[in-house]
Order: sequence, then C-alpha cells, then structure tokens
Amino acid sequence: EDKVVQSPLSLVVHEGDTVTLNCSYEVTNFRSLLWYKQEKKAPTFLFMLTSSGIEKKSGRLSSILDKKELFSILNITATQTGDSAVYLCAGRRGTSYGKLTFGQGTILTVHP
Amino acid sequence: DVKVTQSSRYLVKRTGEKVFLECVQDMDHENMFWYRQDPGLGLRLIYFSYDVKMKEKGDIPEGYSVSREKKERFSLILESASTNQTSMYLCASYLHNEQFFGPGTRLTVL
Repeated sequence: EDKVVQSPLSLVVHEGDTVTLNCSYEVTNFRSLLWYKQEKKAPTFLFMLTSSGIEKKSGRLSSILDKKELFSILNITATQTGDSAVYLCAGRRGTSYGKLTFGQGTILTVHP
Repeated sequence: DVKVTQSSRYLVKRTGEKVFLECVQDMDHENMFWYRQDPGLGLRLIYFSYDVKMKEKGDIPEGYSVSREKKERFSLILESASTNQTSMYLCASYLHNEQFFGPGTRLTVL
C-alpha cells in the first residue's frame, strides 16, 4: 500500500519568516510527486516533481525532490498572511490512471 | 480553463437516506476521482473511473458506489448514509499529470 507522510502537521509563523514543509513517500513504481495549496475551497496545483535534485520555483515558493531518500520539501520564503492554507503533497505511480496518494496535509498559519 | 463542478456545496441528510453527489467536468477527461477529506487524514480516494462505465475501488470504497454513464459526469452514491460519512467530498479529473479539483461538497449526516 502506498504511503505519504507530511510533517509538521501544523505550523504557526509570523510574516516574513521562512518555512520548510516536509513530505516523505513510499509509492510503488513512483512516477511523480505533486504539491497543492488548499484554502477554504478546492486544492490548487503548485508543483509537480519527477526528477531528483531539480528545484522548481514559483515566486517565493520552491520545491525539490530526493528520489534516493524518498522525500520532498516545499519552501516558502518571506511568508505572508495569504500563504495561510493547508499544503498537501501527493505521490503518483507510473501506471495508475492518475491516481494520487495524499499525505495528511500541513496546516500553515501566518500571523501579521 | 478546466472546470470541474459539483452539484452542491453543502448538503445535510439523515441517517439511512440515499445520497447522490454529482460531479461534471467540461474538458473531455477520461479519468475522474472521488475523494473524501477529513481533518488529520488528508484526502483519501474512494473510487475512480478511467472511462465510461469503468470504475475501480480506491482505498476506502466501503459504503459507497459510483456511476459513470457519460464521460463528463461521475456520480458518488451513498446507498444508506451513516454519520461516519459526514465529511468533505472532492471530485477531480485528470489530464497530463495534473488533477483538477471541484469546489467540494460538505456533507453532514444527522
């Protein structure tokens, strides 16, 4: 059975702080790892990672995958209150019709 | 833009009722999914479908069934709702390595 574990489960920071969210995975025939941001609605796509060591970046958010150690991190620099959300990571198998296994999510709260 | 819609944002039902949750996508995607989301447990896959009339069980199919009669529509059915099925239900469709989610239906079973 595939398994994805996120840590920490919740995090409270102040604006301007840098945060690192962790995601470890055990996915048979692993193909890719995805990060989503979820506010009070549907998850929105952030990144998809397939190769080790290649950083993906979008503004203040960045993410990297380590396929040897089976984990990924999501970094957010200079956090803002608008970054408050649940961050989800999910692993995908190579042949699975797109089926994802999700972690529990990390609840990030950014105080002004 | 891909659009995935769900029939209701909020739904309140009684124990034992039959409940239908509808999901429609407008981009001709073959693969569609139903998840439930509970605090501390993340999203868990209930069922998915990779073509019309084709379905496969996910990780927690017990107490649920699905129907896919047309490509754009994927329905989740609770044959006899129970209080432990109170949850947020998310539908998604899949294309090119990305899942597109609907807005979710928050179901409360009393």
